[in-house]
Amino acid sequence: AQSVSQHNHHVILSEAASLELGCNYSYGGTVNLFWYVQYPGQHLQLLLKYFSGDPLVKGIKGFEAEFIKSKFSFNLRKPSVQWSDTAEYFCAVTYGSSNTGKLIFGQGTTLQVKP
Amino acid sequence: ETGVTQSPTHLIKTRGQQVTLRCSSQSGHNTVSWYQQALGQGPQFIFQYYREEENGRGNFPPRFSGLQFPNYSSELNVNALELDDSALYLCASSLVQGLTYEQYFGPGTRLTVT
Repeated sequence: AQSVSQHNHHVILSEAASLELGCNYSYGGTVNLFWYVQYPGQHLQLLLKYFSGDPLVKGIKGFEAEFIKSKFSFNLRKPSVQWSDTAEYFCAVTYGSSNTGKLIFGQGTTLQVKP
Repeated sequence: ETGVTQSPTHLIKTRGQQVTLRCSSQSGHNTVSWYQQALGQGPQFIFQYYREEENGRGNFPPRFSGLQFPNYSSELNVNALELDDSALYLCASSLVQGLTYEQYFGPGTRLTVT
């Protein structure tokens, strides 16, 4: 079955620490990959997306992600986190080359950044 | 703000009742998707509408149905509510351009079934 797995359910970091959130997806066909963030009291918003091309993707707010096809992974990174990065992070995938846009989400990672 | 609005914000229903949730897409977007997010989980895809036709469906029973209107607003209808239907229901609109797209999410409707 098509699925997405996020390894860390709850991450606690101090400000200025580096962040890496893991994301793996099943199935080895064509995929489009996304990271969404949900700040407290706000709606889901897109951090970055990968459709094709350079596997290292830059997003908003200093986030980046690397698509490693051989590992079925799309890990999210940030060199130095801020207190304002405290939020829920979701990895999501669409399968196939169609534009149906059926997003399959991971279960989410709660990031808590301590000032 | 994404320009996607949903109503109502919160709703409490009794098991067996029917509910209609509404979504207003971002201007110009021709595709709307609905997701169910249970507490502590990621959103689960319910279905998608493209130009008023269903364009993909997730693993949800037929009592979950939808509509998309010519102005691209949308409804999600759930019949015979069950306790497990309690969740946050998210609407997302997108503009399909070739093979790339980005879905913009609304704030959601929190449904509680008692």
